[in-house]
Amino acid sequence: GAGVSQSPRYKVAKRGQDVALRCDPISGHVSLFWYQQALGQGPEFLTYFQNEAQLDKSGLPSDRFFAERPEGSVSTLKIQRTQQEDSAVYLCASSPGPRDTGELFFGEGSRLTVL
Amino acid sequence: QKEVEQNSGPLSVPEGAIASLNCTYSDRGSQSFFWYRQYSGKSPELIMFIYSNGDKEDGRFTAQLNKASQYVSLLIRDSQPSDSATYLCAGGRLNRDDKIIFGKGTRLHILP
Repeated sequence: GAGVSQSPRYKVAKRGQDVALRCDPISGHVSLFWYQQALGQGPEFLTYFQNEAQLDKSGLPSDRFFAERPEGSVSTLKIQRTQQEDSAVYLCASSPGPRDTGELFFGEGSRLTVL
Repeated sequence: QKEVEQNSGPLSVPEGAIASLNCTYSDRGSQSFFWYRQYSGKSPELIMFIYSNGDKEDGRFTAQLNKASQYVSLLIRDSQPSDSATYLCAGGRLNRDDKIIFGKGTRLHILP
């Protein structure tokens, strides 16, 4: 497709389980961002890639969160030993690159519910 | 800590009136600012971006930027019920390897 694709759209996990969320950005987009959006809140920055390089991971809440983009296209956000406070929508966004307008193109998000 | 602040609302505006949404930011290095609209259960979509001081108009929407006051606003003229949504203000550094920071969003409700 032409847009940013995220999977799964919905994920229910038991506390302590590991989860992996996938993002397939728009073809050719250099920059890729992950955001966490809790109910009623704005998107909170998690991490940012330029191609395969993770330039900023300052927003990752703990060492249970890990993101990768090994070939500079598809990215995976992994959450280990999930906790209830991890319940949120995880948004992936891509953009053509740092020298473009800065517009972010968002996927539909992955809604994670931790029981 | 770079921050973008918005009043969470809800802001209620009669149909046909002007809706005014405001945002302040803490990082003086931020150069590019964005307004995104987010319908309930959907992803954010870009309405406008602005880089230069002053006004930028696009149809019913006008973005205003005042870098000295670190203030960004969005005006929506002739408000329609379909404008009811959460409006997210965001800022970042154009041409730099830097993240885009979002505010918490303002809920706008257009009263028919």
